[in-house]
Amino acid sequence: GPKVLQIPSHQIIDMGQMVTLNCDPVSNHLYFYWYKQILGQQMEFLVNFYNGKVMEKSKLFKDQFSVERPDGSYFTLKIQPTALEDSAVYFCASSWGGGQNTLYFGAGTRLSVL
Amino acid sequence: GQQVQQSPASLVLQEGENAELQCNFSTSLNSMQWFYQRPGGSLVSLFYNPSGTKHSGRLTSTTVIKERRSSLHISSSQTTDSGTYLCAGATGGNNKLTFGQGTVLSVIP
Repeated sequence: GPKVLQIPSHQIIDMGQMVTLNCDPVSNHLYFYWYKQILGQQMEFLVNFYNGKVMEKSKLFKDQFSVERPDGSYFTLKIQPTALEDSAVYFCASSWGGGQNTLYFGAGTRLSVL
Repeated sequence: GQQVQQSPASLVLQEGENAELQCNFSTSLNSMQWFYQRPGGSLVSLFYNPSGTKHSGRLTSTTVIKERRSSLHISSSQTTDSGTYLCAGATGGNNKLTFGQGTVLSVIP
């Protein structure tokens, strides 16, 4: 089936550094998402993105977070600067349409902030 | 309170047994979906089921909107079914999903 690829699968960085998580969504999809899952807790919505713009973001999407998809390449989540509480698995997802459409998720990037 | 509640939290089955996983959701949610999260973490979409009953192989999902519940039935379980099953609902029409805590299923040979 359709695949969403996330690179890298695991990233370890020091607190205060910048990190960029990369997502290669399904090729004809138009809507993109980031979700966050802290170990042992439920998956939570961060942000969705369409037509070059953030449509909606949750309170977890702090000012230090930003997303972009320059020229149809990777959909990225940048955190600058990172904090200890940013340690989690970040899942990227994409869908063809914005509502009532199946989301396809990547395998996640495990971010460890030391 | 929690918008999506799943039960049971965990379940252990002997291979070949059936499983019934439950999801209760608040009135603010719709477009219920079921996902399977592999032990390594990746998610697989099982069903997009806003209402009614859907089948896929050994899996059946039933959503009854007026009762605010959705269920996932697994028949003749296999060891490869082990993992976490997540129920999620959307707010409005923008695919912003609210997930439940999941049911951890362990199928033993």
